[in-house]
Amino acid sequence: EIVLTQSPGTLSLSPGEGVTLSCRASQTVRTGYLAWYQQKRGQAPRLLIHGSLSRATDVPDRFSGSGSGTDFTLTISRLEPEDFAIYYCQQYGTSPWTFGQGTKVEI
Amino acid sequence: EVRLVESGGGLVKPGESLRLSCAASGFSFISHRYNWVRQAPGKGLEWLSSIHIASRNIDYADSVKGRFTISTDNAKNSIYLQMNSLRAEDTAVYYCARDNGIWSFFDSWGQGTLVTVSS
Repeated sequence: EIVLTQSPGTLSLSPGEGVTLSCRASQTVRTGYLAWYQQKRGQAPRLLIHGSLSRATDVPDRFSGSGSGTDFTLTISRLEPEDFAIYYCQQYGTSPWTFGQGTKVEI
Repeated sequence: EVRLVESGGGLVKPGESLRLSCAASGFSFISHRYNWVRQAPGKGLEWLSSIHIASRNIDYADSVKGRFTISTDNAKNSIYLQMNSLRAEDTAVYYCARDNGIWSFFDSWGQGTLVTVSS
């Protein structure tokens, strides 16, 4: 199975700052089939990005995804208070679908 | 409004069984594939199983293959996860999640149901 490694584990930032999260795959992710999710405490995950760079419905344009092959990133251009959460990447190119271990973005 | 609502979680002893349900509403049930994803306390997300309504194609993670069974009742717009031979390490919040039937990214999730396996 494809193992996804996210870095860093935790980021301590302030509102207004920008941030880039990393997701590295143990094998090539087929055709950029990589998604990003946001999860807040006590809530289900929410889809942010699919196809490595396509924003999901109603996702603000301060969120952007990029990457291909084995290296992918999620960038938040200016953190809003509601963006402090845990972010997970997921590959859906090769079964079993796998998730990274998450990056926590905290104040 | 798209809704997925899980139920059926609870406290069971090791070796026992449990059946989770997920009721879907607000969209065309047959146009999608449905997945179960779990999250152990304080841990990350783990995909467990999927079922494609149109093709009936089913897939499982190795960690649950042979113990868990996914199924649907299309007349009730519902998805189920039958979990047998439960272990302490199966303790988690179990989420039902929808994908578009072509690519397995999950665009809608239920609120989750907690399963606790403990003696």
